[in-house]
Amino acid sequence: NAGVTQTPKFRVLKTGQSMTLLCAQDMNHEYMYWYRQDPGMGLRLIHYSVGEGTTAKGKVPDGYNVSRLKKQNFLLGLESAAPSQTSVYFCASSTPGGNIQYFGAGTRLSVL
Amino acid sequence: DAKTTQPTSMDCAEGRAANLPCNHSTISGNEYVYWYRQIHSQGPQYIIHGLKNNETNEMASLIITEDRKSSTLILPHATLRDTAVYYCIVRVSYNTDKLIFGTGTRLQVFP
Repeated sequence: NAGVTQTPKFRVLKTGQSMTLLCAQDMNHEYMYWYRQDPGMGLRLIHYSVGEGTTAKGKVPDGYNVSRLKKQNFLLGLESAAPSQTSVYFCASSTPGGNIQYFGAGTRLSVL
Repeated sequence: DAKTTQPTSMDCAEGRAANLPCNHSTISGNEYVYWYRQIHSQGPQYIIHGLKNNETNEMASLIITEDRKSSTLILPHATLRDTAVYYCIVRVSYNTDKLIFGTGTRLQVFP
């Protein structure tokens, strides 16, 4: 049982480049989330989704877009990467209500 | 959601119980206490949660004071693999965007 899988694990971008991070879950969870974690800080919610075809903004949504075309996948896009988006990105999924969230291993992104 | 206060770091000898405190003095009646941990470079992992009563599962025990203003996570027999950052989170159940991670307690288990 893979749980939550994030692709890629590492990526280096130049300022202004775009990329998409993929999150896939095999637990048939309705809810999915994208967080970012910066050194010395806790996780901050970027966007989340409560079901296929729906998305909502979290606490730090600026500079990111998301899509949930399939229930099992949640994509995070950076249209024009900035150095401030250098971070570790975590995806999570949960049953409705989000009481217990299951996290992926993270994507380490550097923007130069 | 109520704010939580945790010590920055703690040490524990392998095989001993690790008791991690959390202060949440402004907790309201419908807010749960959740504990997650994050082992270095990995995604956070759910440990346990509770509302009023003490809770126990295969990973840990959660002791919530009667006034609910503080709680303690207990790892009964700490191992080196328990070295991690432990997050205490208070939130209303079914509040989707409110799983707020602070800086947590860095637990170091030593041989």
